[in-house]
Amino acid sequence: QQQVKQSPQSLIVQKGGISIINCAYENTAFDYFPWYQQFPGKGPALLIAIRPDVSEKKEGRFTISFNKSAKQFSLHIMDSQPGDSATYFCAASMLGFNKFYFGSGTKLNVKP
Amino acid sequence: NAGVMQNPRHLVRRRGQEARLRCSPMKGHSHVYWYRQLPEEGLKFMVYLQKENIIDESGMPKERFSAEFPKEGPSILRIQQVVRGDSAAYFCASSPGQASSYEQYFGPGTRLTVT
Repeated sequence: QQQVKQSPQSLIVQKGGISIINCAYENTAFDYFPWYQQFPGKGPALLIAIRPDVSEKKEGRFTISFNKSAKQFSLHIMDSQPGDSATYFCAASMLGFNKFYFGSGTKLNVKP
Repeated sequence: NAGVMQNPRHLVRRRGQEARLRCSPMKGHSHVYWYRQLPEEGLKFMVYLQKENIIDESGMPKERFSAEFPKEGPSILRIQQVVRGDSAAYFCASSPGQASSYEQYFGPGTRLTVT
């Protein structure tokens, strides 16, 4: 059973455009939702995270939108740059359980 | 401030050999997690350890896999009698361990190839 479902699998965006990646979860006990960025041959790096008590969190060009009733959250990358080309993973966790459930990843390619 | 360290970065083993993967958490972090990533897939949780204790091993295969985090030294993920299906990237993450902290910081991974 996949706890976190991520889409799309791959995404091509022109430089300056908006990249949008979506995730959905089943377990209403999840209370922490991070996004990780991974470059080839590297480990995942924490990009931004949100708790379910807010509907949106913004850090620079990266924004998480969270819809608790729909059990969905998404990552928006504004003014996408070629350097943003990487694989992005959403994840979910719950206090006291510590382990992350990861989505399957989205490979983003930003065209110059 | 050094991040999470993993070694070796690449490991090649023949079928039937043993693989030992090492992870040194970030300074001040007392909790370690191991994840496995198959090609073109997301990370799958394997095991969560604190110093000298296994807290959650629900993601560990029942046979051939073991993990430890001794009082001194790095955490070790050990795979005995490796098979081709064990070929994957193995990532270690660490966290401070405070009840209010969810963040996990990942190392660069060990890429295991079984020939």
